[in-house]
Amino acid sequence: AQSVTQLGSHVSVSEGALVLLRCNYSSSVPPYLFWYVQYPNQGLQLLLKYTTGATLVKGINGFEAEFKKSETSFHLTKPSAHMSDAAEYFCAVRLSAGGTSYGKLTFGQGTILTVHP
Amino acid sequence: DTEVTQTPKHLVMGMTNKKSLKCEQHMGHRAMYWYKQKAKKPPELMFVYSYEKLSINESVPSRFSPECPNSSLLNLHLHALQPEDSALYLCASSRVGTSSSYNEQFFGPGTRLTVL
Repeated sequence: AQSVTQLGSHVSVSEGALVLLRCNYSSSVPPYLFWYVQYPNQGLQLLLKYTTGATLVKGINGFEAEFKKSETSFHLTKPSAHMSDAAEYFCAVRLSAGGTSYGKLTFGQGTILTVHP
Repeated sequence: DTEVTQTPKHLVMGMTNKKSLKCEQHMGHRAMYWYKQKAKKPPELMFVYSYEKLSINESVPSRFSPECPNSSLLNLHLHALQPEDSALYLCASSRVGTSSSYNEQFFGPGTRLTVL
């Protein structure tokens, strides 16, 4: 079974400050990991993904995440927050193998990011 | 075209009504998904279609009836819903590959459903 835990349902930062959103996963096989962003009353937009290879992944809007197998983590960071980053962020995991898990993403509970001027 | 479109954007229906949600994509994706998202919760998978055939049904009540009439369209037929079914319904699509393919999912903007 796979699961995702996002530490902190709300994170608040000042504009220009570092953004750090935490995600830990549990998976019996090597996972594929994703970060999605959701703006109010909108669908989900993929920020970045880890599949195989380089553990530091760069995404859109200046975000990046690092896959750390030893810590089972995939934290999302951005060096300098912008007001437009205010949204809800979801970490998701998908098993890399296993027919019964085909197509199934398991999402964390989400983290709402607030950016103060 | 890298867009998933959903209609309508908003829907209000009574418990005795029959309505349908529509989803369309023209990215050539052969897997399509329905998710339900309650307020302040993550999306929950409802159904997955692969090559127009239902491949995953996450024990969804029969008052929700999915349909995939062709490779670009996905419908969700609604009948005799309950107020607790009020939610944002999201459609997504992805390529189909082997079980080891990551096949990222592209999401539509959703339909906000209110059941009175």
